[in-house]
Amino acid sequence: EDQVTQSPEALRLQEGESSSLNCSYTVSGLRGLFWYRQDPGKGPEFLFTLYSAGEEKEKERLKATLTKKESFLHITAPKPEDSATYLCAVQAGGGSNYKLTFGKGTLLTVNP
Amino acid sequence: DTAVSQTPKYLVTQMGNDKSIKCEQNLGHDTMYWYKQDSKKFLKIMFSYNNKELIINETVPNRFSPKSPDKAHLNLHINSLELGDSAVYFCASSPWTGSGEKLFFGSGTQLSVL
Repeated sequence: EDQVTQSPEALRLQEGESSSLNCSYTVSGLRGLFWYRQDPGKGPEFLFTLYSAGEEKEKERLKATLTKKESFLHITAPKPEDSATYLCAVQAGGGSNYKLTFGKGTLLTVNP
Repeated sequence: DTAVSQTPKYLVTQMGNDKSIKCEQNLGHDTMYWYKQDSKKFLKIMFSYNNKELIINETVPNRFSPKSPDKAHLNLHINSLELGDSAVYFCASSPWTGSGEKLFFGSGTQLSVL
């Protein structure tokens, strides 16, 4: 069964203090790894898709990287508006089951 | 315009009641989903429809019945509600089956069963 483990569960940073969130996964044939952002009371919002080891994607202060076992979401010089829960999800290749398996998320709080 | 809209936002009801949650997307997507986010914040897929056809049906009690009258709508009806059904239910859509990426989520329906 596909599994996604995110760490830490919660992370508190000062504004401008860079850090990384981790997403470890086990999946039978990775079709894609996805990062979403979820604000309180809202649905997840798509950030990135990574397809193969070594791939990197960037958006503003966020950079996602992928290895064969894990993905990192690097946050450079975060601002208070980056505070949210960041969700990682994997999609297995093959067959007709196209479901995403989500991790529990990392709650990021950026203090001014 | 809201891309994926679901109603109601909050639903408080008694055990044993039957309730429905409605979802509509105006993105022209072919595939729609229902996800459940429990108290531990895990987001798990329940159902997926592609052009009104059921393509994913996870291990969900048959008290839960999705209905897709057209590809822009996916409703969720729940019979005989139980305490354990309390959760946030999210509707989502995507351009085509299997894309995974760019799921567009609604803002969720918080269901509380008393």
